[in-house]
Formats: sequence, C-alpha cells, structure tokens
Amino acid sequence: QKEVEQDPGPLSVPEGAIVSLNCTYSNSAFQYFMWYRQYSRKGPELLMYTYSSGNKEDGRFTAQVDKSSKYISLFIRDSQPSDSATYLCAMSAGYQLIWGAGTKLIIKP
Amino acid sequence: DTAVSQTPKYLVTQMGNDKSIKCEQNLGHDTMYWYKQDSKKFLKIMFSYNNKELIINETVPNRFSPKSPDKAHLNLHINSLELGDSAVYFCASSQEVTASGNTIYFGEGSWLTVV
Repeated sequence: QKEVEQDPGPLSVPEGAIVSLNCTYSNSAFQYFMWYRQYSRKGPELLMYTYSSGNKEDGRFTAQVDKSSKYISLFIRDSQPSDSATYLCAMSAGYQLIWGAGTKLIIKP
Repeated sequence: DTAVSQTPKYLVTQMGNDKSIKCEQNLGHDTMYWYKQDSKKFLKIMFSYNNKELIINETVPNRFSPKSPDKAHLNLHINSLELGDSAVYFCASSQEVTASGNTIYFGEGSWLTVV
C-alpha cells in the first residue's frame, strides 16, 4: 500500500460545478499538507498549503484536512475551464515530501 | 523572468547514449532537486542537494549522476540510457531543506524519450 493514495481520474465536470478532490494517507506523523496544480506540459505549482487539521480558504479554493480519518480534500467552487489540470496532493512529516499520483480534472465549458 | 529553468525541454535519443539535462534557479534558494514523473504522472524524487551537498539520494541506478557546481545549478547526467528512462524530469528548488511548510518551485520539465 502506498503512503499516499489519490484517484488518478480523470474527473470530468461541467463548468460552474463544485469539485472535490481527495487523498488518503497512512502515516499519522504527517503534519504538512499541500496541493499542487500541474497544467499540461508544465511543472507543478503550489496551490494550497495547510498545517495540521482544519480548513483553509483562498478564493474559490478550500483545503480541508481530517487527521483523524487521514483524509485531505481540495474543493473548487464555481469551477472554470482554466481549472482543468492535474492536482497533486503532497504531505510531509518533516524532511521529505510524499506525493500522491495526481488527479486529472477536466472542466467542460 | 524564469525562476527555475532547465534545458533541453525535449530530448529524443537512442538506447545506450549518454545525455545531460541542465538546471538553473535564480531564486537564491539553497536546495535543489531532481524529480522523475512517469507516464502515470507519479512524481518521484531522485536527488536533493543543499548548498551543493547531496542530501537525498533515492534508489536510483548509478547511471544517473547529479552534479551541483554551485547552489544555483544542478545538472543531471545519465549514462547508457535505457527504454525505461523515458519520462519527464523536473528540476526544482526550495529555500529550506526540509519539506515542512516549504514551497517547492518546479521547472517546466525535460521530456526524455529513449528509442
């Protein structure tokens, strides 16, 4: 079993929908949780970062961490075609970053 | 102005050849990385350097040799290329060596195809 599990998708939703992307993990020592966005033919870029449990909101994006369930989510409200990308979760207990496989998201106009 | 730049962007080469990918960052960061992303988009760290010193060396064949002439540059040399080396290689950098709360900045990737 991988340390971080993420459904690769693709996940296809109509424009304007609320999108939910998720990762589960097995290492209870993880404290830092990140979401990176990767457009086609580009490198990943940091989208959201959360420390420990709780929610963090940034515009249309909300990151949620539930440490008791070892489950993290990224919600995208009012999704736009420009949100079409691969979303990678990443987490750390300190030294090294452990990555999910990425979920490919397609927003249909 | 590109923060992390790597060259070449595309590389097609024959099995058995030796090739290099160059990387430079102008962010003033102390730590640089090489990542490999396979066809299923899984991102795997290969090497990490902090101030020119090797910090992380994952289980990577010794045909792969990183070289950091200074903290702004981290090059990757690959000997005797194999078909399985075909992937996208990302150079990246960050201010700190630990992953905690530390943003990693990626280059645009180098698409390596071995035929």
